[in-house]
Amino acid sequence: DAKTTQPPSMDCAEGRAANLPCNHSTISGNEYVYWYRQIHSQGPQYIIHGLKNNETNEMASLIITEDRKSSTLILPHATLRDTAVYYCIARANNAGNMLTFGGGTRLMVKP
Amino acid sequence: GAGVSQSPSNKVTEKGKDVELRCDPISGHTALYWYRQRLGQGLEFLIYFQGNSAPDKSGLPSDRFSAERTGESVSTLTIQRTQQEDSAVYLCASSLDRGRTGNTIYFGEGSWLTVV
Repeated sequence: DAKTTQPPSMDCAEGRAANLPCNHSTISGNEYVYWYRQIHSQGPQYIIHGLKNNETNEMASLIITEDRKSSTLILPHATLRDTAVYYCIARANNAGNMLTFGGGTRLMVKP
Repeated sequence: GAGVSQSPSNKVTEKGKDVELRCDPISGHTALYWYRQRLGQGLEFLIYFQGNSAPDKSGLPSDRFSAERTGESVSTLTIQRTQQEDSAVYLCASSLDRGRTGNTIYFGEGSWLTVV
């Protein structure tokens, strides 16, 4: 898996959009960008993934730059329950079994 | 099922006892993974099952750890003669298949194991 770099922490006001950046400058052409989050003491929760096109689902939007060297996860209307550690992973379909989460970004949504 | 189901959600056991942790993957998912996560630390791969292929046991930390899976259904992780350092949350995950487009891995809520 390509190395990813994320800011260690971010704050966001409740109801505002949370924009979480991720750098993956060494990403390979066959590697997808995945986002997971982990709320304290719970299993990692899948959020969204994409290859090169922007993606949107009921949880979030994923914006991938044209050169694919970075991406941004957008939570359009953050709630207190979105407080969690968010992990960005670059992973190919034929990747090994090691799912490596880096340090992630600890998002604190404040009232 | 709708998601990956694990049981028990919490287990407190005495040092030296054996424990069994169960995972029920998402229906139709051929790949099943076990990970361990100690408090405040990252995921540690333990074992991987893919269909009827031989499992990848390369992450099991010692011979006290073993896991079984029958076909594409339930898996059981067994820890024999538990030690205090085994205390962690044990996470099970499943996915459709390696190699398919967007091989998303879905996690269960984990089984918290405390060895006292």
